[in-house]
Amino acid sequence: IAGITQAPTSQILAAGRRMTLRCTQDMRHNAMYWYRQDLGLGLRLIHYSNTAGTTGKGEVPDGYSVSRANTDDFPLTLASAVPSQTSVYFCASSSGGDTGELFFGEGSRLTVL
Amino acid sequence: GQNIDQPTEMTATEGAIVQINCTYQTSGFNGLFWYQQHAGEAPTFLSYNVLDGLEEKGRFSSFLSRSKGYSYLLLKELQMKDSASYLCAVRDADYKLSFGAGTTVTVRA
Repeated sequence: IAGITQAPTSQILAAGRRMTLRCTQDMRHNAMYWYRQDLGLGLRLIHYSNTAGTTGKGEVPDGYSVSRANTDDFPLTLASAVPSQTSVYFCASSSGGDTGELFFGEGSRLTVL
Repeated sequence: GQNIDQPTEMTATEGAIVQINCTYQTSGFNGLFWYQQHAGEAPTFLSYNVLDGLEEKGRFSSFLSRSKGYSYLLLKELQMKDSASYLCAVRDADYKLSFGAGTTVTVRA
């Protein structure tokens, strides 16, 4: 049982480069989310998708884009990376419903130089 | 939007009890969650409150007062493995979850 898989687990990237973080879930969850986690700031929502074919902006969407072509995949793209995007990125999914707890991937550590 | 406050750090002794408070201001409330996150790992779900009152789950309990915008997580019979960050999160009407900065709990022998 995989749950949520993120790739890569770690990446060092030159500023200005394009980067896509991959996220795949096998739980058939409708909702998926991308968060970044920075020391002292906690988890901040970047983008989300309540169902395949729809996406929405979170708290810190600038510099990031997402797509949701199907239920399982939710890639996050940095079009032109900047050093302030150095962070740990977590993908999460939820079945919705009353409890609607989030299930998180193991995270992708991105360093932009 | 959400404004979620919780203490930065707490220290307690093995076997003791620790209470982590969380206050929030929200434009639309649809549930409060607590997550545990060990260093270098992903957050994992601990508890969920949507109605006022206490929810108990083993050594962990969570309380909610919606009128006061207040919750706490109670950790009883502390064990060394409970050393972690504890994240308070509020869900809005659109089912988006906003997190506080987290409380790092250190359990000492």
